[in-house]
Amino acid sequence: KQEVTQIPAALSVPEGENLVLNCSFTDSAIYNLQWFRQDPGKGLTSLLLIQSSQREQTSGRLNASLDKSSGRSTLYIAASQPGDSATYLCAVRPGGGGTASKLTFGTGTRLQVTL
Amino acid sequence: DAGVTQSPTHLIKTRGQQVTLRCSPKSGHDTVSWYQQALGQGPQFIFQYYEEEERQRGNFPDRFSGHQFPNYSSELNVNALLLGDSALYLCASSSGQKYGYTFGSGTRLTVV
Repeated sequence: KQEVTQIPAALSVPEGENLVLNCSFTDSAIYNLQWFRQDPGKGLTSLLLIQSSQREQTSGRLNASLDKSSGRSTLYIAASQPGDSATYLCAVRPGGGGTASKLTFGTGTRLQVTL
Repeated sequence: DAGVTQSPTHLIKTRGQQVTLRCSPKSGHDTVSWYQQALGQGPQFIFQYYEEEERQRGNFPDRFSGHQFPNYSSELNVNALLLGDSALYLCASSSGQKYGYTFGSGTRLTVV
């Protein structure tokens, strides 16, 4: 059974800092990994999708890396802003056949960026 | 291009009642998945529909059922509501294994 862990559970940083969020998973047989952002009481917004064959993906100030063999992914946020305050979730999609399959989520890292 | 649309946004029901939540997938997506998210937790997979059939199911009781229509939209039904069913219900759509999931804004269900 796939288990996903995110560390830290909560993080508070001053504006402008670079930060790293961690995600680990127990079963390395994944198809891809997706990072999401969730604002309080809202749905999930996809940030980055990394296929199992890729090492990293970048979008603006965000960079996500994937080390499938060690079961780890990191989300790097450069020059953090108060608007980055949210909960960040990682989710893994299992490998194998089929046109689609379920995501297994971590419990998230709650980020607060202060002025 | 509209993303995933869920309705209603909020709902209050009494224990024992039944509820139906609705989801319209993103244009071009043919697979719909439902997730339950309790406060402070990550989303938990309920089930997934493809070609109007349930393809996968998570660890949820039979009180949770669903349906997918020919236009790919979907419904989640929950019978005999319990207080523990109070959560944010998220719908996600996708197309093919290579691409990621797109989530809706969710339906906040409160059971009193």
